[in-house]
This record gives sequence, structure tokens and C-alpha cells, in this order.
Amino acid sequence: KAGVTQTPRYLIKTRGQQVTLSCSPISGHRSVSWYQQTPGQGLQFLFEYFSETQRNKGNFPGRFSGRQFSNSRSEMNVSTLELGDSALYLCASSPRAQGLGSTDTQYFGPGTRLTVL
Amino acid sequence: SQKIEQNSEALNIQEGKTATLTCNYTNYSPAYLQWYRQDPGRGPVFLLLIRENEKEKRKERLKVTFDTTLKQSLFHITASQPADSATYLCALDGNYGGSQGNLIFGKGTKLSVKP
Repeated sequence: KAGVTQTPRYLIKTRGQQVTLSCSPISGHRSVSWYQQTPGQGLQFLFEYFSETQRNKGNFPGRFSGRQFSNSRSEMNVSTLELGDSALYLCASSPRAQGLGSTDTQYFGPGTRLTVL
Repeated sequence: SQKIEQNSEALNIQEGKTATLTCNYTNYSPAYLQWYRQDPGRGPVFLLLIRENEKEKRKERLKVTFDTTLKQSLFHITASQPADSATYLCALDGNYGGSQGNLIFGKGTKLSVKP
């Protein structure tokens, strides 16, 4: 099975611009989560989508948004970029079985390295 | 609020020794705990999961323990090799002991195994 893919791998933007990142999950995985990773804060959860619906959301401002398509592919958008948004953005997919006893093992993509100048 | 701490930012050991990494948490009763490995420039890779009712889990040279009384997990790599050098992250489920929800990650411990 192909792993999680993310495009683009690297991106340079300037303050005030917006950016859209794309993620294709592992075939059959219906859950897609997005994380921001910085040296100071580590891996921080942004949001999770399951069957085109946002199911969980982290503590990030409304400038960060996402969506999921019917084929489970997901996009993340950041508007009005700030210098502090420079980070590695990781997408992860999960089978996300329902019910008690299920776990949320994440299968990560390689990430998109975003640099805001 | 929930807090996860991985005690060491960096750990340097000699090849062949056992590496022990620590993950502590507070204000929390997770249903399970996971360990991931991350190499530079790559996304984390899942290694092991241990549930709250399990004391220990093993996979080849890896061993994880989970002490819900101490609110601590220990991650051991026996007979360590230079190829084990990476950052290791612990993660807990984000839904207060529920079985569904996002993961909360520690900041990681960077392990360096010297030949």
C-alpha cells in the first residue's frame, strides 16, 4: 500500500499570503489529521476530518482551516500568514475504527516544510 | 490541562547499551499510550501501543511499560545500534480516557547512539 503523500514538500511564502497544503491518505483510511511541528512547541494537533466532517479541533486560530473530500483526500489552508506559522505541517491518516477499544494510531506523511518570510 | 513531558531532550549512549526514555503525564487518564520514531526531515513512524490495562509490551528489541499509578511510561531499546539514533515521541489519546480522539504528543527525546 502506498503511504500518506503530501504536496508540496517545501513552500516559501511571505507574510499576509495564504497557503493550501494537500494530503492523500493511505487507501482505505477515512480519518485525516493535521499537525504543526515546530522546534519550540513540538507536534501540535490542528484538526481531524472523518468522512468529510471535522471531528476534532486543536487550539489554533481560525486562520487555520481544512476540508476533506469524498475520496478522503484533505487540504489545509492557512490565511494571512504570520512569521510564526513557519513549521513542518504533517498530515496523518488512520483507519479510525469506531467504538470502544479502538485506537488512533497515526500514519504520517513526510510533511510540508512551510517557511514564511 | 493535560500535560505530557519527556524528561530528556537528548540522550547519548554507547552502542550495545540499553536506552531508556521516559514519558510522564499529568491531569490525565489515557486509555492508551503510543511511541513513535521520527528521523530528520520525515514524519513520525508508529512503533508500539500499550493500553491502560497492560503493564508491558515488547517488539523485538523494544519494550514499553505503562504505570498508570505513577502516570509514566518507559521506552527501552536493548542492544542499541547507531541506526536507532532518532527522536522518539510519546503520544496519548486526547479524549480523557476515551477511545476516540486526536493524539497529544510529547516534545520528544533525541537519542544518539555512538559506535
